[in-house]
Amino acid sequence: KQEVTQIPAALSVPEGENLVLNCSFTDSAIYNLQWFRQDPGKGLTSLLLIQSSQREQTSGRLNASLDKSSGRSTLYIAASQPGDSATYLCAVTGANSKLTFGKGITLSVRP
Amino acid sequence: DGGITQSPKYLFRKEGQNVTLSCEQNLNHDAMYWYRQDPGQGLRLIYYSQIVNDFQKGDIAEGYSVSREKKESFPLTVTSAQKNPTAFYLCASSDSGATEAFFGQGTRLTVV
Repeated sequence: KQEVTQIPAALSVPEGENLVLNCSFTDSAIYNLQWFRQDPGKGLTSLLLIQSSQREQTSGRLNASLDKSSGRSTLYIAASQPGDSATYLCAVTGANSKLTFGKGITLSVRP
Repeated sequence: DGGITQSPKYLFRKEGQNVTLSCEQNLNHDAMYWYRQDPGQGLRLIYYSQIVNDFQKGDIAEGYSVSREKKESFPLTVTSAQKNPTAFYLCASSDSGATEAFFGQGTRLTVV
């Protein structure tokens, strides 16, 4: 059974810092990995999708990498801003199109 | 606008009642999903459907039922058999397993 882990559960950083959020998964037989952002009481917003054949994807200040063989992904946020404060979740798509989520990392960026 | 619409945003249920949560998408996606989110638990898969008239149980299907009679719609019924239904429910869709998944804004269900 696929398990996705995100550590730590919470992170607080000062504004302007570059930061890395980690995600690990136990079964490397995935179709893709997706990073989401969730604001309190809201749905999930897709940030980046990395197909299993890709190594990384970039969107603005965000860069996500995927190392399928080691079961790891990182989300890099450059020059963090208070508006980046949210919960970040990673999810992998495995057999039968099932999406399995980590529990998320709650990020707080202090002005 | 293309997207996924969940309704209602807030729902209150008396113990012993069944309630149905609506999920509609106009993205022409084949696959649709229902997740439950509890504090500290992350998202857990309830049911998913890869095609019309077919669906599979997820990890926590007990006490829930679904139907997929139309491509655009995937309603979730929370039955009286669900012992602890108070949670935030999220619906998602994707074109197939290898493509990006999109989520609705969620329905918060409270048992009163």
